[in-house]
Amino acid sequence: SQTIHQWPATLVQPVGSPLSLECTVEGTSNPNLYWYRQAAGRGLQLLFYSVGIGQISSEVPQNLSASRPQDRQFILSSKKLLLSDSGFYLCAWSLTGFPFFGQGTRLTVV
Amino acid sequence: KQEVTQIPAALSVPEGENLVLNCSFTDSAIYNLQWFRQDPGKGLTSLLLIQSSQREQTSGRLNASLDKSSGRSTLYIAASQPGDSATYLCAVLDNYGQNFVFGPGTRLSVLP
Repeated sequence: SQTIHQWPATLVQPVGSPLSLECTVEGTSNPNLYWYRQAAGRGLQLLFYSVGIGQISSEVPQNLSASRPQDRQFILSSKKLLLSDSGFYLCAWSLTGFPFFGQGTRLTVV
Repeated sequence: KQEVTQIPAALSVPEGENLVLNCSFTDSAIYNLQWFRQDPGKGLTSLLLIQSSQREQTSGRLNASLDKSSGRSTLYIAASQPGDSATYLCAVLDNYGQNFVFGPGTRLSVLP
């Protein structure tokens, strides 16, 4: 069966520090992968999606970046975090249009 | 660009009431529409999936309808319970099957 792992569950980082959130999927091949962010009191916003290794589409300009070094690995990064980067980050995968979500990472930038 | 809105933004009702949550989308060229539930600080739980060719889906006390031509979907919750308290999100998948666009959600509180 397919599973999605996202870590860490919570993270507190100082402004200006780097960020790396990792998401891996098991039990499937060549999935579409997604990173979403949910700011406090707001809806889910698509940040990046990927249809294959090395193929990244960005939906919102920001100081974040994403990479897909392997078929089932999706990484969200930042070189220098801003206070506005605080939020709840969700990774998701899909094959047939039905998305499966990770448990999320609560990021607080202080 | 697809935009999804949800009304109301928040809803507080006593236990036992029947509820209707609304979702609207601007581009009718969708592959499917889904309703999710999100509990505070947690991931998403899929509730119902409606393919673009379908009109409605039912699961237990939940019924979701889709009117693609008018860009609307409703989620009907029968006999609400305190355990239904959560944020409900609708999302549409574009016709390429790649891009999900979420609404801002409806925050539901069911009071015992």
